[in-house]
Amino acid sequence: KQEVTQIPAALSVPEGENLVLNCSFTDSAIYNLQWFRQDPGKGLTSLLLIQSSQREQTSGRLNASLDKSSGRSTLYIAASQPGDSATYLCAVAPLYSGGGADGLTFGKGTHLIIQP
Amino acid sequence: SQTIHQWPATLVQPVGSPLSLECTVEGTSNPNLYWYRQAAGRGLQLLFYSVGIGQISSEVPQNLSASRPQDRQFILSSKKLLLSDSGFYLCAWDRGREDEQFFGPGTRLTVL
Repeated sequence: KQEVTQIPAALSVPEGENLVLNCSFTDSAIYNLQWFRQDPGKGLTSLLLIQSSQREQTSGRLNASLDKSSGRSTLYIAASQPGDSATYLCAVAPLYSGGGADGLTFGKGTHLIIQP
Repeated sequence: SQTIHQWPATLVQPVGSPLSLECTVEGTSNPNLYWYRQAAGRGLQLLFYSVGIGQISSEVPQNLSASRPQDRQFILSSKKLLLSDSGFYLCAWDRGREDEQFFGPGTRLTVL
């Protein structure tokens, strides 16, 4: 059974710092990995999707890397801003599909606070 | 553009009462649809997914059921709610395995 772990569970840093969030998964047989952002009481916003054949994806100040063989992904946030404060979730899709649909397995998230 | 709606946004129900949560997607056809639950202190857990009308797969045994009466409509139901059904219910969709999943705004369910 796939398990996804995110470290740290919580992080508080001053504005302007670069930071790294970590995600690890136990089964390397994944189809893709997705990073999400969740604001309090809200749904999830997709940030980046990395296919299993890719090593990294970038969007603005965000860069996500994937090392499938070691079961790890990192989300790098450059020049952090108070608006980046949220919970960041990592999720993996299984390699073998359930009839064309992939329920994701999620980590519990990293709660990030950027201090002004 | 595509949008996903969920209602109600919040719901407080007594133990033993029925439940019906609705999710609809606009701007796409034949999406894969998903129901997840986020309970306090726990990660998101997949409950059901559907690849087409009337096709439902369940990931975990539970007190809930799902139905897909129309292409872009996904309903989560229960005949009798339990305290343990409390949580934040999220609906999601995608176009297929290559695509990202997009989530709705969620329904906060409190069972008393």
